[in-house]
Amino acid sequence: DAGVTQSPTHLIKTRGQQVTLRCSPISGHKSVSWYQQVLGQGPQFIFQYYEKEERGRGNFPDRFSARQFPNYSSELNVNALLLGDSALYLCASSLTGDEGEKLFFGSGTQLSVL
Amino acid sequence: GNSVTQMEGPVTLSEEAFLTINCTYTATGYPSLFWYVQYPGEGLQLLLKATKADDKGSNKGFEATYRKETTSFHLEKGSVQVSDSAVYFCALLKAAGNKLTFGGGTRVLVKP
Repeated sequence: DAGVTQSPTHLIKTRGQQVTLRCSPISGHKSVSWYQQVLGQGPQFIFQYYEKEERGRGNFPDRFSARQFPNYSSELNVNALLLGDSALYLCASSLTGDEGEKLFFGSGTQLSVL
Repeated sequence: GNSVTQMEGPVTLSEEAFLTINCTYTATGYPSLFWYVQYPGEGLQLLLKATKADDKGSNKGFEATYRKETTSFHLEKGSVQVSDSAVYFCALLKAAGNKLTFGGGTRVLVKP
């Protein structure tokens, strides 16, 4: 079975541009979470979605948005990119998103903002 | 708010050496605690977890004990291998859903 897949694997953008990152969860998983991992730091929670509804949001500006589709895949959008948005963006899926449920992480999308 | 502090790396060891990575946390109540591992070019993988005080999580020779009195969850392995070279993250869960709070990560390099 395929794990969590993310695309693209690498991306280069310039300041002020917009970017869309994509995530496909493990088959049967209905919850998707997004994390930002800046180089040398631990991942930080951005969003969690379950059944197309936002279940949680981390301390990120409104430039960050996400959505989940009927097939449970998800997109993360970042507008008006800043240099500080350069990071590895990780997607994680789980069956229902309930507390303590095991998360399965993808390999991430490496975003570089120049 | 919740936070996790872990020792800074890199930690460089020889094969078969003993590994300890310290992790302490700040949270109200009784969080669940986790260790994740990130191998080069890969995503995070759950290594072990503990959900209540005095629980011991273990996997692949790694162990960690949930110590509420010291708010700690130190990771240990008695004899490391080159394949254990990776970045290790301590994390806690103390909220509805699965929002994890991670420490900064500790890079471990095991030399033959």
